[in-house]
Amino acid sequence: NAGVTQTPKFQVLKTGQSMTLQCAQDMNHNSMYWYRQDPGMGLRLIYYSASEGTTDKGEVPNGYNVSRLNKREFSLRLESAAPSQTSVYFCASSEWGGPKETQYFGPGTRLLVL
Amino acid sequence: AQKITQTQPGMFVQEKEAVTLDCTYDTSDPSYGLFWYKQPSSGEMIFLIYQGSYDQQNATEGRYSLNFQKARKSANLVISASQLGDSAMYFCAMREDNTGNQFYFGTGTSLTVIP
Repeated sequence: NAGVTQTPKFQVLKTGQSMTLQCAQDMNHNSMYWYRQDPGMGLRLIYYSASEGTTDKGEVPNGYNVSRLNKREFSLRLESAAPSQTSVYFCASSEWGGPKETQYFGPGTRLLVL
Repeated sequence: AQKITQTQPGMFVQEKEAVTLDCTYDTSDPSYGLFWYKQPSSGEMIFLIYQGSYDQQNATEGRYSLNFQKARKSANLVISASQLGDSAMYFCAMREDNTGNQFYFGTGTSLTVIP
């Protein structure tokens, strides 16, 4: 039982390049999330998927797209990377979106955009 | 307005002593959940403790307890008998019933345990 996995762990991109961050969970959770973490800012929600087939914008969606490929997988795409997207990206999942449910986090992806 | 406020960017505590990490929140939703996470230097986010808005008693999980003062909208984390392994960033978070899929995180408190 691996929990939430993310690939890659590290990535360096040049401005304008594109890439996809992959996330998978094996806990049969319905809801999945993408966050970014910047120094002094805590975690900010980029996009989330309440259930398979649905996605919604979070607090900071600009410059990103997501795909809920199936119940297990939720990917985050940067179409044209910018230095402002240098950050640590976390994927998370929860069984449902209720207020009592905690989220389980992946190990994070460190992205540097030059 | 900030949903979650953590006013202590850094805290120090002597090993074996107790420490309180502050968290205040802002919501008009009567149903919400409050969470604390630990992020060690390795980077992963570890769930510590949960408090529901309707819970009558303060939550406890081993050495962690949550001092929940609903009228003051505060949810402070208390770590008893601090250990060197408690050195980490600690984040307070909230989830509201009417925006159930969004977690709001504070900016975190860096805790250093001194031997």
